Parts: sequence; C-alpha cells; structure tokens
Amino acid sequence: DAGVIQSPRHEVTEMGQEVTLRCKPISGHNSLFWYRQTMMRGLELLIYFNNNVPIDDSGMPEDRFSAKMPNASFSTLKIQPSEPRDSAVYFCASSTQANYGYTFGSGTRLTVV
Amino acid sequence: AQSVTQPDIHITVSEGASLELRCNYSYGATPYLFWYVQSPGQGLQLLLKYFSGDTLVQGIKGFEAEFKRSQSSFNLRKPSVHWSDAAEYFCAVGGATNKLIFGTGTLLAVQP
Repeated sequence: DAGVIQSPRHEVTEMGQEVTLRCKPISGHNSLFWYRQTMMRGLELLIYFNNNVPIDDSGMPEDRFSAKMPNASFSTLKIQPSEPRDSAVYFCASSTQANYGYTFGSGTRLTVV
Repeated sequence: AQSVTQPDIHITVSEGASLELRCNYSYGATPYLFWYVQSPGQGLQLLLKYFSGDTLVQGIKGFEAEFKRSQSSFNLRKPSVHWSDAAEYFCAVGGATNKLIFGTGTLLAVQP
C-alpha cells in the first residue's frame, strides 16, 4: 500500500495565480480530509468527504478555496486566486472507520509570493 | 463544545529519561482518542488509539497512553526517550462522525 499520495510536494506561485493540490487516498478508504497547517493556527480542517460527497466545508476560509472529489481515488483542492496568506502546508488524510484514525499524506508546502 | 487541550507547547527531556505528554479533551459522547507524531517535513503518523476496552493502550515506538474518563485525559508516556523521538506530538479526539479535532501540539526536544 503506497499510502495517501499528495502532489506536488512543493509549490511556489505568484499572488493571483491558480493553485491546484492533488490527493489520492488509500484504496478502500471512504473518507477524505483536507487540512492546512501553519505556525500561527496549527492544524485546521478545511473540508471532508464521505463516499465522495462533501460533508463539512465550514473550515474553508473563503470562496477562493474549492475542493472536489470526482471519484473514490482522487481529490483536488483549488485556490483561485492565491494570496500570500495562503502559504502553508496542506495535508490530505483518508480513513475507513471513525475509530481507526486517519492516514496522512506527506503534505504540499505552498508558498505564495 | 468539543476541544482538545495540550497544555505544554514545548518540552525538553534528556535521552533515556521518561516522558509524559498531557492531553485533556472535551467531548459530548464516548470519545475515540488518538496520538499522532509529526517529524519535521513529514505528515502525521498514528502512534496509538483508544476507542474501547482496556484503558491503557500500547502503540508503536514504545509509546503508551492511558484513558482516564474521570479526568478527561489521555496522556502519552514513554519510559525511556530516544533522540529519534524528537518531534511534534498531537492529541486528537473524535467520534462516530469520523471527524477528528486536533490539539495544538507539543514539541519535544531531546537532549543528549
């Protein structure tokens, strides 16, 4: 099992550009989570999906952020337009049952200049 | 409100010494409790979990944690710390909804 796969590992972009982060969850996991980690705010849950359906997007900071899960093996988090304050590490995690915990990907470090 | 408190932001221990990292939670139902470790530049790795049964749970890398319902605590322990244990540790609580709430983390430094 390759684990949760995120791409790219690092992304540097200019303010105003569109950024797309990608995640492939573990096969058979039916829940997927997007987190953002910063020094100031720690780990923040942005959105999560059950069976490809968005369940809770209350953590999405604003309309510039959107997430999709077109099938069980792929999800994207898009920021358009990006701003310097979006600079953070974005993690994707997947899970199969509530008491099993999450498996995290290695994260995407986003820098917006 | 559901929450997790890790009161220690930063802890330094000597190699070979024992370790206890504190975690207190607030959760309206029977909680599922987790400890994760994050090494620099890496994602979070699950150390151990509790959801029922024996309140003392064993995890990977020689860690254990004890669930104390009366104190709403789930402290992480290790009898002898190794230099490779230096990392950030996160406590998390969840329930049947499969949504975890994470604490703010405790950064562990290990002195030689």
